[in-house]
Amino acid sequence: DAGVIQSPRHEVTEMGQEVTLRCKPISGHNSLFWYRQTMMRGLELLIYFNNNVPIDDSGMPEDRFSAKMPNASFSTLKIQPSEPRDSAVYFCASSLRPRVEAFFGQGTRLTVV
Amino acid sequence: QKEVEQNSGPLSVPEGAIASLNCTYSDRGSQSFFWYRQYSGKSPELIMFIYSNGDKEDGRFTAQLNKASQYVSLLIRDSQPSDSATYLCVGGTASKLTFGTGTRLQVTL
Repeated sequence: DAGVIQSPRHEVTEMGQEVTLRCKPISGHNSLFWYRQTMMRGLELLIYFNNNVPIDDSGMPEDRFSAKMPNASFSTLKIQPSEPRDSAVYFCASSLRPRVEAFFGQGTRLTVV
Repeated sequence: QKEVEQNSGPLSVPEGAIASLNCTYSDRGSQSFFWYRQYSGKSPELIMFIYSNGDKEDGRFTAQLNKASQYVSLLIRDSQPSDSATYLCVGGTASKLTFGTGTRLQVTL
């Protein structure tokens, strides 16, 4: 298996633009997590899905952020409109179920100017 | 209070020494614990997991769990320069994983 695949690896966008980050989890994994990492706050859980259903989105910063998982092999995290404070590395991770080890993608480095 | 707390470091140890990384957690519902290693600019990778009280050894790594004290630690024996990274402590409940902010380890020559 190729592991968790994220795209794009790097994204530079202007403030106010819509940004869409994509993730393909490991085949057979039922849980998918979106994390954001910054120097100041470390790794923060934004949202996680179990069997394609959002279970906990309490980490989503505000209404500008939305996430979907239309099927077991694909998820998106959308920011609209983007702001400079959204600049961070966004990781997607998947696991067989919520409390076992999660495997991370390579991350998307987002820069909003 | 953060759910999983770690000293941010840096923790500096000489090559060949034992590095001791510590973590405390507040959620008594946490049932599983993990240590991830993250090199600069890379994604976190799992190096150890522990579910039961006591010690668990894997090569140069030993994870220790004390649920009564809500304390988790990672010992790295014979530290190598390649061990220099940020180590993330993770607590898992039935519904999610919670990451600490990490301890930066520097192994000096």
